[in-house]
Amino acid sequence: TQLLEQSPQFLSIQEGENLTVYCNSSSVFSSLQWYRQEPGEGPVLLVTVVTGGEVKKLKRLTFQFGDARKDSSLHITAAQPGDTGLYLCAGIDNAGNMLTFGGGTRLMVKP
Amino acid sequence: DAGVTQSPTHLIKTRGQQVTLRCSPKSGHDTVSWYQQALGQGPQFIFQYYEEEERQRGNFPDRFSGHQFPNYSSELNVNALLLGDSALYLCASSLLPTGDNEKLFFGSGTQLSVL
Repeated sequence: TQLLEQSPQFLSIQEGENLTVYCNSSSVFSSLQWYRQEPGEGPVLLVTVVTGGEVKKLKRLTFQFGDARKDSSLHITAAQPGDTGLYLCAGIDNAGNMLTFGGGTRLMVKP
Repeated sequence: DAGVTQSPTHLIKTRGQQVTLRCSPKSGHDTVSWYQQALGQGPQFIFQYYEEEERQRGNFPDRFSGHQFPNYSSELNVNALLLGDSALYLCASSLLPTGDNEKLFFGSGTQLSVL
């Protein structure tokens, strides 16, 4: 069974601070995705990383896939209250059928 | 362009009852996956339907069953409900087999409460 562990589980910071969320696994995934979920809504895809060592940037968000394709990180620069939400990482199996989600990191950015 | 739609949005049932949840995929999508998200946790894969057949199944008991219709819409059925089945049930659609399978679009979910 492939498992993904996210850390930290909860994070409360002030507006303008930087933060990093980690997603770790003992298994190799063909690719890994990051989602953001708000209360009462489904997860919304932020990015997919495929190649080991890959780095992708989405405005103030930087995503990195580990060289061995077992772990990933999400770094947010100068966090804003609008970044508040549940951040989920999800690994895709080799058949591309099933997402294995981490437990999520709940981020609160205070003004 | 309509996204993924799920119904109902909220549902309250009692232990032992049966429930049916419904999902209409994003226009142009032919594959539907169902996920269960317990409070404070990440979603867990239940199963995926393509061409009206179950392609893959997660670690869920046979009480969880599904169906996909010719118009690609899908239903999730849960029999003999347990208190632990209380969760947000998410439907996600994608397109197979063009290689876009990785691009999942989620609905807003059905919040099921079992009393």
